[in-house]
Amino acid sequence: AQTVTQSQPEMSVQEAETVTLSCTYDTSENNYYLFWYKQPPSRQMILVIRQEAYKQQNATENRFSVNFQKAAKSFSLKISDSQLGDTAMYFCAFKPEGSYIPTFGRGTSLIVHP
Amino acid sequence: GAVVSQHPSRVICKSGTSVKIECRSLDFQATTMFWYRQFPKKSLMLMATSNEGSKATYEQGVEKDKFLINHASLTLSTLTVTSAHPEDSSFYICSAPYLTGHTEAFFGQGTRLTVV
Repeated sequence: AQTVTQSQPEMSVQEAETVTLSCTYDTSENNYYLFWYKQPPSRQMILVIRQEAYKQQNATENRFSVNFQKAAKSFSLKISDSQLGDTAMYFCAFKPEGSYIPTFGRGTSLIVHP
Repeated sequence: GAVVSQHPSRVICKSGTSVKIECRSLDFQATTMFWYRQFPKKSLMLMATSNEGSKATYEQGVEKDKFLINHASLTLSTLTVTSAHPEDSSFYICSAPYLTGHTEAFFGQGTRLTVV
């Protein structure tokens, strides 16, 4: 069974600064996908970024980037130039290739202060 | 991107009544959909996997008779909370995987259920 661990229940950052959210996972699978989802106060789950395990290059989406360390089973999310709209719960998720069901971490509540 | 629509977004019902929540895939067919429950400031807890044309697969500890799932078409799954009780008050979210071309699941907007 896979497990996803987010060790930071809450984080805060000043607007325009950079923050990193941590995520580790445990699996015996070799091919899988990792995701970061954002859940703002509206509760709508929004995909932030996706990483394929077979790709060595870290995924980047505008101000969001990941540090994927496959050997260490680590998948952290870096948010640069934080904006007030980034305030949300962030969930790390793991999905083996061939499965449709992701495993979610417990989430990290991020507050961006003006 | 693919769109999943969930309705209603909020519902209040009396104890003992039943309430139905709909989850629709708007621009793709979904033979499988997932129903989650989320407690305040907690992660998503998978309740069941809805399978088009067959019985749903429930996770351990989820009461099948309380949470009835029907997946009658390739674009619609429904979750009916029967004989609702205040402890059933929660946020319910559905999701559907886009079977080709995408690896992530798409989520509905969620339903806030309050049982009074």
